[in-house]
Order: sequence, then C-alpha cells, then structure tokens
Amino acid sequence: TQLLEQSPQFLSIQEGENLTVYCNSSSVFSSLQWYRQEPGEGPVLLVTVVTGGEVKKLKRLTFQFGDARKDSSLHITAAQPGDTGLYLCAGGGSSNTGKLIFGQGTTLQVKP
Amino acid sequence: DTGVSQDPRHKITKRGQNVTFRCDPISEHNRLYWYRQTLGQGPEFLTYFQNEAQLEKSRLLSDRFSAERPKGSFSTLEIQRTEQGDSAMYLCASNPGGLVKTQYFGPGTRLLVL
Repeated sequence: TQLLEQSPQFLSIQEGENLTVYCNSSSVFSSLQWYRQEPGEGPVLLVTVVTGGEVKKLKRLTFQFGDARKDSSLHITAAQPGDTGLYLCAGGGSSNTGKLIFGQGTTLQVKP
Repeated sequence: DTGVSQDPRHKITKRGQNVTFRCDPISEHNRLYWYRQTLGQGPEFLTYFQNEAQLEKSRLLSDRFSAERPKGSFSTLEIQRTEQGDSAMYLCASNPGGLVKTQYFGPGTRLLVL
C-alpha cells in the first residue's frame, strides 16, 4: 500500500516568516501534485512535478521532487495571511487508473 | 473551460435516507474520479471512470454506494441508507487522460447525516 506522510500537520507562523512542508513515502510515485484547499472548497492545484530532482517555482512557493521520486517539499518564502489554508500533497502511484494517493495535509495559519 | 462542477454543494439528510450527488467534469476529460474527505484528513479515493466504464472501486465503497457515468460525461454518486459515518466532503475530479497526470477538482459536496 502506498502512503504519503506529510509534516508538520499544523503550522502557525507570523507574516513574513519562511516555512517548509514535507511529503514523504517509502514508495516511488510517477508524479506528485501539491494542492491548496480552503474550508468548504475543493483542492486547487498548485503544481505537478514528474521528474526526479525537479524544482518548480510559483512566485514565493518553491516545490521540489526528490531524486528517487519518493518525497517532495514545499517551501514558502515570506508567508502572507493569504497563504493560510490546507496544503495537500498527492502522488500518482503504480495504478494505471491515475488515482491519487493523498497525504493527510498540513494546515497553515499565517498571522498578520 | 468552466471547471469541474458539483451539485449540490451541501446536503443535510437523516440517517437511513438515500442521497445522490452529481459531478460535471471538464468538457472532453475522459477520466473521472470520486474521492471522500473527512475533517482534518486528505481525500481518499473512492472510484474511477474512463469514459462510461467504471474501472476501479475502492474497498471504502461499500455496497450502499453506487456510481454511474452513463454517457461518459457527467457522473452521479448515490448513497443508500445513509449512516452518520457517511458524513464527509465528496469530491469529484477529472483528467484528460493520456500522459497528463494532473487532476482538477470540483468544489465538493458536503454531506451531513443526522
């Protein structure tokens, strides 16, 4: 069974601080996606990474896929209150269906 | 491209009642997925359609749950004889297939079973 472990589960920081969220597994994933979800809404895609070692940047967000495609990280620079939300990593596994395996999420609160 | 839509957005029902949710995927996306998300957790896969064919079902999908995608476009998820443990957010996602890995999610239907 493929599992994704996210850490930390909760993070409360002040505006302007930097943070990193980790997504780890003992399994290899063909791709990994990061989503942000607000209460009562569906997840909104931030990025998809498919190549081991890949780094993608989205404004203040930097995403990295591990060389072995078993782990990923999300780094936010100078966090803002608008970054508050639930961050989810999701891996595309070995199934031909393309179903996603999700981590349990990291709840981020950025205080002004 | 209007995105994935789901209806209703919220549903409150009494235990034992049947409920049905609808998902309209992004036009021409042949892959459609249903997930369930409980509070404080990530979504869990329920079932997958490629066009009208239901190709995979999770063990989470008990025999009280049934999903259809009759014309390969919209999909419905029905829960019969609802239980309080069915209370969750039900999410639908679509994907164009092929080499594209990204799934696009709808806003979800939040179900509360009293």
